[in-house]
Amino acid sequence: SQTIHQWPATLVQPVGSPLSLECTVEGTSNPNLYWYRQAAGRGLQLLFYSVGIGQISSEVPQNLSASRPQDRQFILSSKKLLLSDSGFYLCAWTPLPLGELFFGEGSRLTVL
Amino acid sequence: QKEVEQNSGPLSVPEGAIASLNCTYSDRGSQSFFWYRQYSGKSPELIMFIYSNGDKEDGRFTAQLNKASQYVSLLIRDSQPSDSATYLCAVKLSRAGGTSYGKLTFGQGTILTVHP
Repeated sequence: SQTIHQWPATLVQPVGSPLSLECTVEGTSNPNLYWYRQAAGRGLQLLFYSVGIGQISSEVPQNLSASRPQDRQFILSSKKLLLSDSGFYLCAWTPLPLGELFFGEGSRLTVL
Repeated sequence: QKEVEQNSGPLSVPEGAIASLNCTYSDRGSQSFFWYRQYSGKSPELIMFIYSNGDKEDGRFTAQLNKASQYVSLLIRDSQPSDSATYLCAVKLSRAGGTSYGKLTFGQGTILTVHP
């Protein structure tokens, strides 16, 4: 069966520091991968998606970036965090074609 | 107009009652519709999906879709305190001229509380 993992689960970072969140999927190949962010009390906002290695599409302009160095690995990064980057970051994958998403455990980021 | 809107909450129902959660979407060409449950501090988990007009039942959950009215709902029968969570409606929107790449657009969520 397929599983998705992301880490770290929780992190507290100062403004201006770098960020790296990692996500891996097991049990499938060439999945579509997604990074969503959920601000406190808000819905999910799509940040990036990837349909293959090295293929990244950005949905919203921001100081975050994403990379897909391997088929089942998706990384979210920032060179300098802002206060507004705080939130709950969720990695997800879909088996397609119906499009249901399956989420990782989430990474809660607090920028101070 | 937001692409996906859910009825504002929070919604509070007594144990054993029917909880009704509603969602409207703006894109008439939308293809697939999903309901997720999210417990506080946890990631969303898929409850149901529906893509044809009508009702779809799974245990105590029933999803209802009306594409003409651009409306999808989730009914929870015999509500239990363990159903207390935020419920997220998600829609796979159509994209003119191409694929949506599986992207889902989420509503803001409705907080449901089931009290004993």
